[in-house]
Amino acid sequence: GENVEQHPSTLSVQEGDSAVIKCTYSDSASNYFPWYKQELGKRPQLIIDIRSNVGEKKDQRIAVTLNKTAKHFSLHITETQPEDSAVYFCAATRSGNTPLVFGKGTRLSVIA
Amino acid sequence: ETGVTQSPTHLIKTRGQQVTLRCSSQSGHNTVSWYQQALGQGPQFIFQYYREEENGRGNFPPRFSGLQFPNYSSELNVNALELDDSALYLCASSPGQGLGYTFGSGTRLTVV
Repeated sequence: GENVEQHPSTLSVQEGDSAVIKCTYSDSASNYFPWYKQELGKRPQLIIDIRSNVGEKKDQRIAVTLNKTAKHFSLHITETQPEDSAVYFCAATRSGNTPLVFGKGTRLSVIA
Repeated sequence: ETGVTQSPTHLIKTRGQQVTLRCSSQSGHNTVSWYQQALGQGPQFIFQYYREEENGRGNFPPRFSGLQFPNYSSELNVNALELDDSALYLCASSPGQGLGYTFGSGTRLTVV
C-alpha cells in the first residue's frame, strides 16, 4: 500500500520568510496529492491540492509542486504570517474512492 | 462552512466499554472515511464506505466496525475499548472518484 513520508517534523521561520515542506510517496499509481492545515483543536482543512497531470499549482501565497518521476511533492508558503502557524499534513491517494494516506505532519511556527 | 458534522464532540469511556460515533456527510457526498488521530500524529485510516459498502480498511482490529446508511451518514463502533483508543476520531466525506475530502470537526474520545 501507499506510504507517505513528510519532512521536516517541525519548522520555524521568521515572519515574511518562505517555508517549504516536502513529502515523498511510494505508490506510483497515486495521482491526487492534497495538503491540509490543522490548527490546534480544529479539523484538518484542505488548503491546496494537485493532480498528477500538472507539475505545479499556485494559490496566492501557497504553491505545490509535484515530481512524479521522483515521487515527491512539496508545499511552498511565501511571505509567511503568524496566522500560518499550524500543523500541515500532506496526503496521497489514487482516484476511484481510495482513501487518503497522510504524512505525519509538520508543525510550522511563524515568529513575528 | 463544512457540511460534515460529527457527534458527540467529546466523550469519556471506561476501558472495556463500547462506543458509537456518528457522522453526517456533506450533501452530495457518497463516500465516507474514518480516521484516528492520536496526539501529535497524522490521521490514520480506519475504513471507508462507498454507497453503504465498506471498500477499504486500514490496519485496525475487528473491534473497530462501521456502517453507512442510505442517506450516506455513517457510524464508527469500537468494542472492548482500550486506553490506546484515546484519540481524535475524524470523519471525512467525498463526492467520490478521488475528489477532495472534507473533514468534520471530530470526536475526541478519552478512555480511562
